[in-house]
Amino acid sequence: GENVEQHPSTLSVQEGDSAVIKCTYSDSASNYFPWYKQELGKRPQLIIDIRSNVGEKKDQRIAVTLNKTAKHFSLHITETQPEDSAVYFCAATKVGQGAQKLVFGQGTRLTINP
Amino acid sequence: DTGVSQDPRHKITKRGQNVTFRCDPISEHNRLYWYRQTLGQGPEFLTYFQNEAQLEKSRLLSDRFSAERPKGSFSTLEIQRTEQGDSAMYLCASSVSASGLYNEQFFGPGTRLTVL
Repeated sequence: GENVEQHPSTLSVQEGDSAVIKCTYSDSASNYFPWYKQELGKRPQLIIDIRSNVGEKKDQRIAVTLNKTAKHFSLHITETQPEDSAVYFCAATKVGQGAQKLVFGQGTRLTINP
Repeated sequence: DTGVSQDPRHKITKRGQNVTFRCDPISEHNRLYWYRQTLGQGPEFLTYFQNEAQLEKSRLLSDRFSAERPKGSFSTLEIQRTEQGDSAMYLCASSVSASGLYNEQFFGPGTRLTVL
């Protein structure tokens, strides 16, 4: 089955700097890759996603890149702000096949230092 | 609040007791998922319903776990003879289904289970 590895497990950056979180997946049939943000004590919320037919997607300060050949994808946050502090999870799934269950990475705890 | 709701939010029980959690999905979402999240880890898939049919179960779901969605609306997850290793956050998510498309899974706030 699918396996998703996420790095780093913790990341601390100065406010205004950029943050990058990387994930690799094992199943080449996975074709949809969402990123979730989970603040302390709250539910995971989707912040951005990318499909396998796209190499990059951007939404304001957040961008995601996908390299299908290498089977890895990354989250980029620019001009970080204190409210970006949270745990971020990448995930992978196969659209159009069965349950479309999400396989998550282990998470990255991002801390933005003022 | 029209989002996914879960009840209770917290449950403390003694080892060997049975517990039951409830999930109310977003209205008209026909897909419902249960995930388990332990401290410092990402959510792990447990089981999936499309309407009232349970279509997939993870190997993580031992015989002590059972889930139902009797009318295709709310769902329950029961754990029998709880063990300390069952302590975790149990998350429910729902989505609509559309052939060939992915539809966002909306998560509930979770039920945090502590087994003493």
